[in-house]
Amino acid sequence: DAGVTQSPTHLIKTRGQQVTLRCSPKSGHDTVSWYQQALGQGPQFIFQYYEEEERQRGNFPDRFSGHQFPNYSSELNVNALLLGDSALYLCASSLDERDTQYFGPGTRLTVL
Amino acid sequence: QKEVEQDPGPLSVPEGAIVSLNCTYSNSAFQYFMWYRQYSRKGPELLMYTYSSGNKEDGRFTAQVDKSSKYISLFIRDSQPSDSATYLCAMSGRDDKIIFGKGTRLHILP
Repeated sequence: DAGVTQSPTHLIKTRGQQVTLRCSPKSGHDTVSWYQQALGQGPQFIFQYYEEEERQRGNFPDRFSGHQFPNYSSELNVNALLLGDSALYLCASSLDERDTQYFGPGTRLTVL
Repeated sequence: QKEVEQDPGPLSVPEGAIVSLNCTYSNSAFQYFMWYRQYSRKGPELLMYTYSSGNKEDGRFTAQVDKSSKYISLFIRDSQPSDSATYLCAMSGRDDKIIFGKGTRLHILP
């Protein structure tokens, strides 16, 4: 049983560019949450998707947007990249909004 | 004051020792409490999940929650070098948004 998978593993972009990160949830899970983890910090909640809709959102600007597909996979899009967006982006999936969240290995984004 | 406070360490202890990791929090609405372990360049892995106050034991790990003091702990008995990792406390309330601590880096010395 595959766990949560994310792609790509690493990504290097320059300021002002746009990036798309992808996540496939654990089999049977329908809820996907995205987190940003800066170096030396704990993960910070970006938003959560359920039934293809954004259900909750953390304190992140509109440059951060997402999407969930009918097969429950999800994308995180970040526009107009800033140096401060450099971080590990984690995807977590769960059976529903109250279930335990299982994390993927993350995508490390570097903005130059 | 941050919602969740956690000493970042690093904490170094000899193999076989009992490890105590702690977090304090300020939001009295938190009712779900978690501990995650994160190895370098990996995603967090759930270790313990507790609801409200009390103790929960799983093998060498014991989680304690004291809601009156807004204080949670994770104890690791018979610590092993493979326990070396960053330990993140996390908590959530009715809105299900999970708030993480900064994480404590733990080194178990052989």
